[in-house]
Amino acid sequence: TQLLEQSPQFLSIQEGENLTVYCNSSSVFSSLQWYRQEPGEGPVLLVTVVTGGEVKKLKRLTFQFGDARKDSSLHITAAQPGDTGLYLCAGEDGSNYQLIWGAGTKLIIKP
Amino acid sequence: ETGVTQTPRHLVMGMTNKKSLKCEQHLGHNAMYWYKQSAKKPLELMFVYNFKEQTENNSVPSRFSPECPNSSHLFLHLHTLQPEDSALYLCASSPRQGAQEYGYTFGSGTRLTVV
Repeated sequence: TQLLEQSPQFLSIQEGENLTVYCNSSSVFSSLQWYRQEPGEGPVLLVTVVTGGEVKKLKRLTFQFGDARKDSSLHITAAQPGDTGLYLCAGEDGSNYQLIWGAGTKLIIKP
Repeated sequence: ETGVTQTPRHLVMGMTNKKSLKCEQHLGHNAMYWYKQSAKKPLELMFVYNFKEQTENNSVPSRFSPECPNSSHLFLHLHTLQPEDSALYLCASSPRQGAQEYGYTFGSGTRLTVV
């Protein structure tokens, strides 16, 4: 059974601090997606990474796909209260196109 | 209206009731998905429809019955549910099944409580 482990499960920090959340697996994925979900809403796609070693930046968010395509990280610089939410990663199983989901990192940024 | 719209947003139902969840998308997507989201657990894929044909049923109990009359609409019919079925039910769409480079567009979900 493929699993995606996200860490930490919960993180609460002050506005302006930097943070990194992780998504790890023993399986290789064809691609990996990051989503953010706010309370009472569905997940919203932030980025898709496809190539091993790929780095994508979205303003203050930096996403990296591991060289072996088994893991990924999300780094937020100078976190803001608007970054608060549940961050989900999902890896694509190339054999059947299904997404394998992590349980999420709940992030709270305090003003 | 653009995006994926789910109704109702909240639903409380007794174990003997019959209700339906509705999902609608106007994105021109051809794949639609039902997911169950429970606290601190990964999203659980329930059903997938690709070009109106059901392609995945992830061992979902028969008390959940999906219906996809066209590529824009998806329903989840519920009957004789159990309290452990209480969760957030999310609908999503994508251009087609397997087009992971585009990601999924999710609705806001239906918060279901079974009493």
